[in-house]
Parts: sequence; structure tokens; C-alpha cells
Amino acid sequence: SQQGEEDPQALSIQEGENATMNCSYKTSINNLQWYRQNSGRGLVHLILIRSNEREKHSGRLRVTLDTSKKSSSLLITASRAADTASYFCATDKGSNTGKLIFGQGTTLQVKP
Amino acid sequence: NAGVTQTPKFQVLKTGQSMTLQCAQDMNHEYMSWYRQDPGMGLRLIHYSVGAGITDQGEVPNGYNVSRSTTEDFPLRLLSAAPSQTSVYFCASTTDQETQYFGPGTRLLVL
Repeated sequence: SQQGEEDPQALSIQEGENATMNCSYKTSINNLQWYRQNSGRGLVHLILIRSNEREKHSGRLRVTLDTSKKSSSLLITASRAADTASYFCATDKGSNTGKLIFGQGTTLQVKP
Repeated sequence: NAGVTQTPKFQVLKTGQSMTLQCAQDMNHEYMSWYRQDPGMGLRLIHYSVGAGITDQGEVPNGYNVSRSTTEDFPLRLLSAAPSQTSVYFCASTTDQETQYFGPGTRLLVL
């Protein structure tokens, strides 16, 4: 079963708007990561937030983590057409083996 | 560095055929994993390795074998392909048990 459940499954916005994606998970974690996948390509790591962190920023990305609700959100500000991609959250389920469990992803379309 | 490389990029098999998907990394990463991605779904972990000579099963290991004889290589073997194994396969590696580096994927079609 999927550790992460993402919401919404699909999101369509205009260039310049903000995009928010949510991820919920079921077990304890050491960290939660967000990845991006362009159509037909491999995944690229975006940002990692540790279980003792509540918010993290990287450029136009802002990630929050609420361990009490077992949820995370990814905010992309001032979106661009090039941000069009699928976004996945991934968790380690509290293990230290390098294995990740991925959510089903949010497909983001940014219209120019 | 080439990063994580996968071969072939695309393969068509008939039911019952066997094949090996190759994965190599030149970053000296200890941890390597194989995932499959089906339409509209996230990645599901097939097998993973925490170092040469050590492998373990992930979420969906049935029908797949792996071995890790060197740090660099982590091949995935399908002994008897089935249509249910039609998917896109991704190999990934990491050194810090955190950020994973993914290969470009192998698209497999089993007829």
C-alpha cells in the first residue's frame, strides 16, 4: 500500500499563480522528501524536510511538515510554465535503509 | 560523472521470456533501489540494496530477482516475463539514505 497519499491528483493553474500540493502519510518518519518528474523522465529531488523541522524553503519552494497530522504540503510560488510536471512526496517510514515509499503524485499544469 | 545509467531504454518481451535490466552508478553510493511506475501511480519499490552483497525485498518483489556483486551495478532480472510486468522501471541510488538520484528509466512492454 502507498505510504503517501497526495491531494489533489491534478492541478491546473495560470502562470504566476501559486500551486499547493498536499501529502499525507501513515507511519512515523525520519524525513519526507518531494520529487519532481517531467513527462517521460526520471525523478529529480526537490527538497527534504526532517521530522523535527516544521518549514523549509528552497527558492520558490516552501515545504511544511506537521507530524501530529502526518501531513506535508509543497507550495510553489509564482509558477512558470516550466513547472508543469508531476510532483511526488516520499517517506522513509522511519527506517535507515535508503528505501523510500512514494505517493501517487500530483500532476501540475501551468498554463502560459 | 554519468550519475545513474539504465539500459535498455525500451524493451519488448513476449510472455515467458527472461531479461535483465541494467543499472549502474558512478557516484560510489552504497544504497541502490529498483522501482516500477505504472500509469497514474507513484513509484513502488521492488528490491533494494544497502551495499555490495546485501539485498532485500521491497513492496512488490514477486517475479523479480536482484544481486549486488559490486558497488556500481545493481541488475534487475525478470525470469519469466508476464504482461503484469509491463511498466516503467527506475533505478535509484543514494549515499546518505536520503536524497535519491534516479536513472532515466526503462520502458518494458510484455506481450
